[in-house]
Amino acid sequence: NAGVMQNPRHLVRRRGQEARLRCSPMKGHSHVYWYRQLPEEGLKFMVYLQKENIIDESGMPKERFSAEFPKEGPSILRIQQVVRGDSAAYFCASSPLETGSPLHFGNGTRLTVT
Amino acid sequence: GESVGLHLPTLSVQEGDNSIINCAYSNSASDYFIWYKQESGKGPQFIIDIRSNMDKRQGQRVTVLLNKTVKHLSLQIAATQPGDSAVYFCAENLPNNAGNMLTFGGGTRLMVKP
Repeated sequence: NAGVMQNPRHLVRRRGQEARLRCSPMKGHSHVYWYRQLPEEGLKFMVYLQKENIIDESGMPKERFSAEFPKEGPSILRIQQVVRGDSAAYFCASSPLETGSPLHFGNGTRLTVT
Repeated sequence: GESVGLHLPTLSVQEGDNSIINCAYSNSASDYFIWYKQESGKGPQFIIDIRSNMDKRQGQRVTVLLNKTVKHLSLQIAATQPGDSAVYFCAENLPNNAGNMLTFGGGTRLMVKP
């Protein structure tokens, strides 16, 4: 029973390039959440998606960042024209439909912008 | 906005002793709380959760206590082992959070001395 799968585990991009982070939720989970974590800090919410819908993107920067969760395939967090301040660990979590359920996290993608 | 906070950034304990990690939350209307453990290079791992209609919940070697009067959450780990060394986060489901979205505190690092 595979957990939340994220790839790549490590991603290095030069300033100005695009970064694409992928997340496959746990089997049976239809809700995906993206979080960002800086070293020695907590996790900050970015966006919450269901299949083909963005439910809450209140934590997502207005520019350069976008997310999708298509009907088929993984959820994608896309960062255009990356800057050094985008360097962080990006975690995806999934949950079942029922509210009051814990989030299950993947092992993250560590993005380094050079 | 309101957020979850922790009293101690680092806790050092002797192997075999009990550990207590504390968390203060500021929103009295939060109804669901979770403790996560994060090891280096990995994603947060669910430990235990508690709903606001409970004061205490026990798992294997772990106990979560909820004091709604002072808005305080604690995680107790019995007979702490070296494998318990990690950063521990408390998280809450705020009343107007969408779905199962969680708001995280800043984390406490637990170091277990052999």
